[in-house]
Amino acid sequence: GAVVSQHPSWVICKSGTSVKIECRSLDFQATTMFWYRQFPKQSLMLMATSNEGSKATYEQGVEKDKFLINHASLTLSTLTVTSAHPEDSSFYICSADLGTGSKGEQFFGPGTRLTVL
Amino acid sequence: DAKTTQPPSMDCAEGRAANLPCNHSTISGNEYVYWYRQIHSQGPQYIIHGLKNNETNEMASLIITEDRKSSTLILPHATLRDTAVYYCIAGRANAGKSTFGDGTTLTVKP
Repeated sequence: GAVVSQHPSWVICKSGTSVKIECRSLDFQATTMFWYRQFPKQSLMLMATSNEGSKATYEQGVEKDKFLINHASLTLSTLTVTSAHPEDSSFYICSADLGTGSKGEQFFGPGTRLTVL
Repeated sequence: DAKTTQPPSMDCAEGRAANLPCNHSTISGNEYVYWYRQIHSQGPQYIIHGLKNNETNEMASLIITEDRKSSTLILPHATLRDTAVYYCIAGRANAGKSTFGDGTTLTVKP
């Protein structure tokens, strides 16, 4: 149980284009999901908290107009990188917890590697 | 989340127990200790968590000191597949998001 998937697993795009990454909870409902970014040889950095049916909460320094988050259902959150540039190349990871009744343990997706040319 | 401190790297012989320490001296009474690991180029994997008591599951054991200022993750019989970066996080159960430090890179050697 508690499986989180991401799609695509990797994507290469041209500078200036937009890329959408999907995060799905496969066997549970997630009212809240989290998006992280990880650069090579660095730790995970939280970008934003995605809330089902409401606006996402972004961490300081993360541009909300560049990283659009939509959490339209209890099993799907999407991250769209708009007008991507080479500096946006990174490993993007989502996570979710089991909500009420859990002790806050997070379950992570396998990650999406974005390369912007 | 309370700040955690972990050694940057550790080695372990295959088949032996791997003991990974974590210091969380500023942890508050309602904060749990969570352990995750990240194998190269994959998303992190949940391992175990605890509040006060020692915990054990099919993957590992978690030993928390009585004062809760430190803990140790124990992999009883390390295999080569346990080579990964191990993260210790201290946080509230309803906080949701996790603050990741630099973790410990565990290398299991044949």
